[in-house]
Amino acid sequence: DAGVTQSPTHLIKTRGQQVTLRCSPKSGHDTVSWYQQALGQGPQFIFQYYEEEERQRGNFPDRFSGHQFPNYSSELNVNALLLGDSALYLCASSLGPGQVNQPQHFGDGTRLSIL
Amino acid sequence: QQQVKQSPQSLIVQKGGISIINCAYENTAFDYFPWYQQFPGKGPALLIAIRPDVSEKKEGRFTISFNKSAKQFSLHIMDSQPGDSATYFCAASNTDKLIFGTGTRLQVFP
Repeated sequence: DAGVTQSPTHLIKTRGQQVTLRCSPKSGHDTVSWYQQALGQGPQFIFQYYEEEERQRGNFPDRFSGHQFPNYSSELNVNALLLGDSALYLCASSLGPGQVNQPQHFGDGTRLSIL
Repeated sequence: QQQVKQSPQSLIVQKGGISIINCAYENTAFDYFPWYQQFPGKGPALLIAIRPDVSEKKEGRFTISFNKSAKQFSLHIMDSQPGDSATYFCAASNTDKLIFGTGTRLQVFP
């Protein structure tokens, strides 16, 4: 049973560029959440997708956007990259919002470095 | 109000000892409190979780103690092993949006 998979594992970009990160949820899960984890910090919630729509959003600017596909996979897009966007980006999957606070299972993340 | 405060920042325990990590929260609407374990280069892995209608939950060597009136909860790792050396995060949620603590780096020495 495949867990949450994320690609790529590492990415290097320069300031001002745009990036797309990808996530496939655990089998049977239909909800995807994205988190940003700066070095030495806890993950911070970016947003959550269910039924191809953004359900809730954390305190992140509009440069951060996402998408969920009919097969429940998801993308995180970040525009106009800043040095401060350097972080580990984590995807977590869970069952739908009808079952509140279901366990969230994380992938191993994409390490994004901005030069 | 959305913060979860975690302590200590780092912890050194001898093999076989008990590791204790504490967290405190302000938002009384939180109703789900998971603990995650993270190894270097890996994503957080769910260890154990509790809801506020119980005061304690035990799974193997891991126990969560929950004090609703004090708005505090803690993770106890019994018989700590070198393989438990990792960073541990507490979290809280009431809308599927997890609010994480700042993490505790645990080192267990033989």
